[in-house]
Amino acid sequence: QPQLQQSGPGLVKPSQTLSLTCAISGDSVSSAIASWNWIRQSPSRGLEWLGRTYYRSMWHNDYALSVRGRITINPDTSKNEFSLHLSSVTPEDTAVYYCGRDPGTTTGHAFDIWGQGTMVTVSS
Amino acid sequence: DIVMTQSPDSLAVSLGERATINCKSSQSVLYNSRNNIAWYQQKPRQPPKLLISWAVTRESGVPDRFSGSGSGTDFTLTISSLQADDVAVYYCQYFYSSPSWTFGQGTKVEIK
Repeated sequence: QPQLQQSGPGLVKPSQTLSLTCAISGDSVSSAIASWNWIRQSPSRGLEWLGRTYYRSMWHNDYALSVRGRITINPDTSKNEFSLHLSSVTPEDTAVYYCGRDPGTTTGHAFDIWGQGTMVTVSS
Repeated sequence: DIVMTQSPDSLAVSLGERATINCKSSQSVLYNSRNNIAWYQQKPRQPPKLLISWAVTRESGVPDRFSGSGSGTDFTLTISSLQADDVAVYYCQYFYSSPSWTFGQGTKVEIK
């Protein structure tokens, strides 16, 4: 069974960049079928998809409109992981952040594997 | 944007009784000619767990007391005989190919 293990700081200052990493075991970030996603959850915004990276002969990224311009998701094939960078954070970015696998059409692109979650607080 | 609205926001059901959660989308959720609704279960301090995809397909290992139904814009998750372990928040979710994923606001299920 594939697993995702998240790492990164739980406290970020306003205007700085939030950075998290998701290590993959039992699958490959270069999978020709799956995509690798970041989702966050907060009381005010609920569950919110942020973006994804995936490999189909070349690397692709897609980002939610709500964070476009502030978000970057990068794959690291040497470590079999992917990362989230969210810049210019404000207290509204305080949330639990999850990484998740979309295995493709077998689940209708639903997320079948999730990381354990990282509570990130934006505060000075 | 497609909006997913769940009802009720919470419900309390006696052990062994049926629990029914509804999810209504603001427009059709057809994707590749199939209803592209997923259902998740989330327990406190845990990530969501995928229960059902394609509106009706139970994931491996999910008890058969969980079932999904519906078509068009109206979908239902049914727990046929509520167990104590089913206390959780349940979410519906739709994927569309812009791409984007949208979730319902969640329904909290408790024991009466």
